[in-house]
Amino acid sequence: SQTIHQWPATLVQPVGSPLSLECTVEGTSNPNLYWYRQAAGRGLQLLFYSVGIGQISSEVPQNLSASRPQDRQFILSSKKLLLSDSGFYLCASTSDRAEAFFGQGTRLTVV
Amino acid sequence: GQNIDQPTEMTATEGAIVQINCTYQTSGFNGLFWYQQHAGEAPTFLSYNVLDGLEEKGRFSSFLSRSKGYSYLLLKELQMKDSASYLCAVMVRSDKIIFGKGTRLHILP
Repeated sequence: SQTIHQWPATLVQPVGSPLSLECTVEGTSNPNLYWYRQAAGRGLQLLFYSVGIGQISSEVPQNLSASRPQDRQFILSSKKLLLSDSGFYLCASTSDRAEAFFGQGTRLTVV
Repeated sequence: GQNIDQPTEMTATEGAIVQINCTYQTSGFNGLFWYQQHAGEAPTFLSYNVLDGLEEKGRFSSFLSRSKGYSYLLLKELQMKDSASYLCAVMVRSDKIIFGKGTRLHILP
């Protein structure tokens, strides 16, 4: 089955600094990949999803961007973080629609 | 638009059975997922339904009615470790997966 790697687990960044979160997937090929954000005590908000290399769909206008340079690599970036970017960032992967797995997540605090 | 509704909170007793409902109105339907999420952790996959009917996996079962836009997750023989949030999610057109706000389940001894 699939394994999704996300790092780091915890991150504290100052306002205005850049961000790069990486997600890599093992055990499958040509997965659909997703980035979600979860504010404390809230549901999962879909930020970006990708059905193939270089194909990115953006769900919410914001100062974040995503890229998929390789089949099993999905990167979430920001040039300048805002306080409102704080949250729990989760990467998910599905390759046959029957199961969708999550990485362990990155808890980002912008200070 | 897309809408997925589930109760915000539920309480049940250890050893009992609880049913968590989810209703959805979405553009396209490619399947419905249920996840369990403990506080501070990532969601873990519980089930996937794409055809009408009941899928059983041990103490957990999930039901789907596509014509009614309705699903439920049934948890039997509740244990204290089942205290968690349960998330309903729908895969819609273009394989986008959207989530409801989740149901926080409290288990009382």
